[in-house]
Amino acid sequence: NAGVTQTPKFQVLKTGQSMTLQCAQDMNHEYMSWYRQDPGMGLRLIHYSVGAGITDQGEVPNGYNVSRSTTEDFPLRLLSAAPSQTSVYFCASSFDRETDTQYFGPGTRLTVL
Amino acid sequence: DQQVKQNSPSLSVQEGRISILNCDYTNSMFDYFLWYKKYPAEGPTFLISISSIKDKNEDGRFTVFLNKSAKHLSLHIVPSQPGDSAVYFCAASTPGTYKYIFGTGTRLKVLA
Repeated sequence: NAGVTQTPKFQVLKTGQSMTLQCAQDMNHEYMSWYRQDPGMGLRLIHYSVGAGITDQGEVPNGYNVSRSTTEDFPLRLLSAAPSQTSVYFCASSFDRETDTQYFGPGTRLTVL
Repeated sequence: DQQVKQNSPSLSVQEGRISILNCDYTNSMFDYFLWYKKYPAEGPTFLISISSIKDKNEDGRFTVFLNKSAKHLSLHIVPSQPGDSAVYFCAASTPGTYKYIFGTGTRLKVLA
């Protein structure tokens, strides 16, 4: 049971490049989400999914795309990277809201030059 | 507008004493609150939660208190241990949603 895994751990992009941050969980959790953490800002919700085929926007969705074709995977796509997207990105999953908690991945540190 | 606020960016406490971390919120619709602990270069880990139907929840050394009228919750750690040194985030969500709003975090340092 690996829990929540994220790849890559580190990434440097140039402005305008696109990339996909991978997130996978092996706990059969329905709910998955993506957060970004910036200094002094806490964690802010980007997108979330309550099950395969269902996604919705969080607090800061602009510039990011998600899809959920399987229960296990929830990739985050940066369509055209900007320096403002330099951040640490965390993926999280949970079984349900009331009786379970969110389990977070180790994070991806992204720098956009 | 910050709906969940942790006004103390840092806190230092002596080992063995009580640590009290505070969190204020503005949205009266929040009904579920959580505390997470985060070590450097790791993802946050769940610590303790409380539903708005309760005013206290305990788990070992950790107790969370909720004051709905003041829109305030606090995390008490007794006794504090050096391994508790980390950044603590509070988070809140509204009924039927998975949208967790996080505070900005408080860095706790427990001095040996």
